Amino acid sequence: GAVVSQHPSWVICKSGTSVKIECRSLDFQATTMFWYRQFPKQSLMLMATSNEGSKATYEQGVEKDKFLINHASLTLSTLTVTSAHPEDSSFYICSARGLAGEDTGELFFGEGSRLTVL
Amino acid sequence: KQEVTQIPAALSVPEGENLVLNCSFTDSAIYNLQWFRQDPGKGLTSLLLIQSSQREQTSGRLNASLDKSSGRSTLYIAASQPGDSATYLCAVRPAYNFNKFYFGSGTKLNVKP
Repeated sequence: GAVVSQHPSWVICKSGTSVKIECRSLDFQATTMFWYRQFPKQSLMLMATSNEGSKATYEQGVEKDKFLINHASLTLSTLTVTSAHPEDSSFYICSARGLAGEDTGELFFGEGSRLTVL
Repeated sequence: KQEVTQIPAALSVPEGENLVLNCSFTDSAIYNLQWFRQDPGKGLTSLLLIQSSQREQTSGRLNASLDKSSGRSTLYIAASQPGDSATYLCAVRPAYNFNKFYFGSGTKLNVKP
């Protein structure tokens, strides 16, 4: 299957700093990428849908100024957690689907990024 | 709104058993259904994708079925192994919105040696 790479896999930062997480589709072009947050022992919560070259669509309750998403190319989307606080500590996972015409409808996930804010 | 339910939430079986994981959904207007595996602290690995026009898909010891009319899918694992221990999630993609995926809460499987 297609490969989605996420980096870093884990990060520890001080409260008030900003952290950037990258999501790359390695062997296909992804028009749309998704960012999820997962709390312990819970399923995934969709945060936002990111489309290449346009603004992300955020789910209700997700602060767009807090979680900045950029999808500058067909293979890269980034999530920046700004002014991070301990309550932002979580597991963040990205996923991607392919270009129209190459899109089988299958969703591919990155390895996830564990953020710990001290 | 689509709701996806997975039962049981946890399952423990001895090695070698065949087992079935269940996924049910409330709206039959789906584009496809996908099964994933998640190991602790990791992302999701795609196992099987079933399009709405298909009844089942097979990969190795895994077989997934889909019955849209009853809103159900099952993941059958044959001859389970300790390495199959993980959380299994199903996700439904609705026919009316390609960018929406509804996830179940998962079934945590433990295969005992």
